[in-house]
Amino acid sequence: GAGVSQSPSNKVTEKGKDVELRCDPISGHTALYWYRQRLGQGLEFLIYFQGNSAPDKSGLPSDRFSAERTGESVSTLTIQRTQQEDSAVYLCASSHRTPNSGFYEQYFGPGTRLTVT
Amino acid sequence: GQQLNQSPQSMFIQEGEDVSMNCTSSSIFNTWLWYKQDPGEGPVLLIALYKAGELTSNGRLTAQFGITRKDSFLNISASIPSDVGIYFCAGRNSGYALNFGKGTSLLVTP
Repeated sequence: GAGVSQSPSNKVTEKGKDVELRCDPISGHTALYWYRQRLGQGLEFLIYFQGNSAPDKSGLPSDRFSAERTGESVSTLTIQRTQQEDSAVYLCASSHRTPNSGFYEQYFGPGTRLTVT
Repeated sequence: GQQLNQSPQSMFIQEGEDVSMNCTSSSIFNTWLWYKQDPGEGPVLLIALYKAGELTSNGRLTAQFGITRKDSFLNISASIPSDVGIYFCAGRNSGYALNFGKGTSLLVTP
């Protein structure tokens, strides 16, 4: 079946501009996650959505970052007044909860490479 | 999040050799995961470990969940060129939050 998709795949923007990144999760996955991956680094958790519950925004680095999700579908990550340190790959993942074990593993999209000039 | 120490940072090996990499944490985890990331792609889940001491294989890959719950290793046997990529470990206590290592970059020469 279709995996997690993200758009755009690449985005170059000028410092100070706003950007919006999109994620389409795997159909039926109730949980959606955003991560940031700086060059040569591991993944940093940004935000988590689970169904209609309030999102966990504890990983957002500043108030310039925000994300929305409509129900259990598409999510958008918005970065306002971009800075050069925002340059990174932004990865989205989705998961569902397995009924037997209770564990749910995350499946990642290809990411959006953001470059702020 | 909690810091995971992954080593080695990079490996350069010949095709056919075995590879071993590991991940340690100052805190315990209930789940250890190993992902592989190819250039321009998102991480792909290779192996998931849920019990201390568990040893799990996926083809030529074998991973173990350390008894102390603070470490895990991944072995790749008889490496091939398509094993090239960055391997990440990730740990989870409960719920959903994953803590990632910085990755091991693997290069395989024919």
